[in-house]
Amino acid sequence: KQEVTQIPAALSVPEGENLVLNCSFTDSAIYNLQWFRQDPGKGLTSLLLIQSSQREQTSGRLNASLDKSSGRSTLYIAASQPGDSATYLCAVRPLGNTGTASKLTFGTGTRLQVTL
Amino acid sequence: GAGVSQSPRYKVAKRGQDVALRCDPISGHVSLFWYQQALGQGPEFLTYFQNEAQLDKSGLPSDRFFAERPEGSVSTLKIQRTQQEDSAVYLCASSLMTAGETQYFGPGTRLLVL
Repeated sequence: KQEVTQIPAALSVPEGENLVLNCSFTDSAIYNLQWFRQDPGKGLTSLLLIQSSQREQTSGRLNASLDKSSGRSTLYIAASQPGDSATYLCAVRPLGNTGTASKLTFGTGTRLQVTL
Repeated sequence: GAGVSQSPRYKVAKRGQDVALRCDPISGHVSLFWYQQALGQGPEFLTYFQNEAQLDKSGLPSDRFFAERPEGSVSTLKIQRTQQEDSAVYLCASSLMTAGETQYFGPGTRLLVL
């Protein structure tokens, strides 16, 4: 059974700092990996999706990397801002047919606070 | 609509009551997913529809949980005889086609069972 772990569980940094969030997964047979942001009381917003054949994806100040063989992904946030404060979740999709390959397995998230 | 919508946003139920949670996916999206998110945890998969067909319901925790999408658009998640452990946020997501695509999430329905 796929297990996804995120470290640290919580992180507080001053504004302007660069930071790295970690995600590890136990089964490397994945189709893709996705990073989400969740604000309190809100749904999930997709940030980056990395296909299993890719090594990294970038969007603005965000860069996500994937090392499938070692079961790891990192989300790098450059020049953090107070508006980046949220919970960040990673999720993996398994290989398989259409039915079984559709469900995402999520980590428990990293709660980020960026202070002024 | 512009995004996935869910209703109600909040629901308080007495133990033993039945509840129905609604999801309106993005128009034209073929795939629809339900997830359950307990406090402080990541979402956990409940069930998946491709159009009106329920292709995977392996995550439904008991036979008290039932989901449908009769016309391949709006979906309803029904929980019968609610228990306190059913208290959670229920998230709906949709994607344009099938596996491998970005899932777009709704705001969720927060269910509290007293």
